[in-house]
Amino acid sequence: QKEVEQNSGPLSVPEGAIASLNCTYSDRVSQSFFWYRQYSGKSPELIMSIYSNGDKEDGRFTAQLNKASQYVSLLIRDSQPSDSATYLCAVPSGGSYIPTFGRGTSLIVHP
Amino acid sequence: EPEVTQTPSHQVTQMGQEVILRCVPISNHLYFYWYRQILGQKVEFLVSFYNNEISEKSEIFDDQFSVERPDGSNFTLKIRSTKLEDSAMYFCASSPRRDIYEQYFGPGTRLTVT
Repeated sequence: QKEVEQNSGPLSVPEGAIASLNCTYSDRVSQSFFWYRQYSGKSPELIMSIYSNGDKEDGRFTAQLNKASQYVSLLIRDSQPSDSATYLCAVPSGGSYIPTFGRGTSLIVHP
Repeated sequence: EPEVTQTPSHQVTQMGQEVILRCVPISNHLYFYWYRQILGQKVEFLVSFYNNEISEKSEIFDDQFSVERPDGSNFTLKIRSTKLEDSAMYFCASSPRRDIYEQYFGPGTRLTVT
């Protein structure tokens, strides 16, 4: 059983701070990694993908990948109250394009 | 902006009844998916569908479940005899390619089995 693990939180940060969300995965051959944002009662929305070791930046979001440590993270700079949501890490297992989702980390950005 | 739509938004059914959940994927997408999310738990993959056949399915997708694309636009999930544990949010998704880089989720159908 391929596992994707996240701390469920909640992670509480003040407005304007950097929020750091972490994820570990068990399948060493996974090649692609995704972050989704899910507002309460809504569907997941894909916000970032990363395929290579290192950092990938998109606006206020940075995804970081370390395949040797089987670790992927999402940084949100200048956090806003509208960023308050659950962030889901999703990792397709080797050979499949279908993602295994983590339980998600709840982020609360307080004014 | 094109979007995935799902109907109904909420379905209440009695245990043992059949339900059909409906989805209209984005029109030029070729890959279709069903996921479910039990309240407070992980999003779980059920099935993927391409070229009018199932391409992958999970252990959850047993003989009680079936999918169909009855016409050029709708994509349906049927649960033949619902159980209490089928109560969940069911999400349809579609993507233009096999990888999920451009996968879009619908708003979901909340299924309540009583």
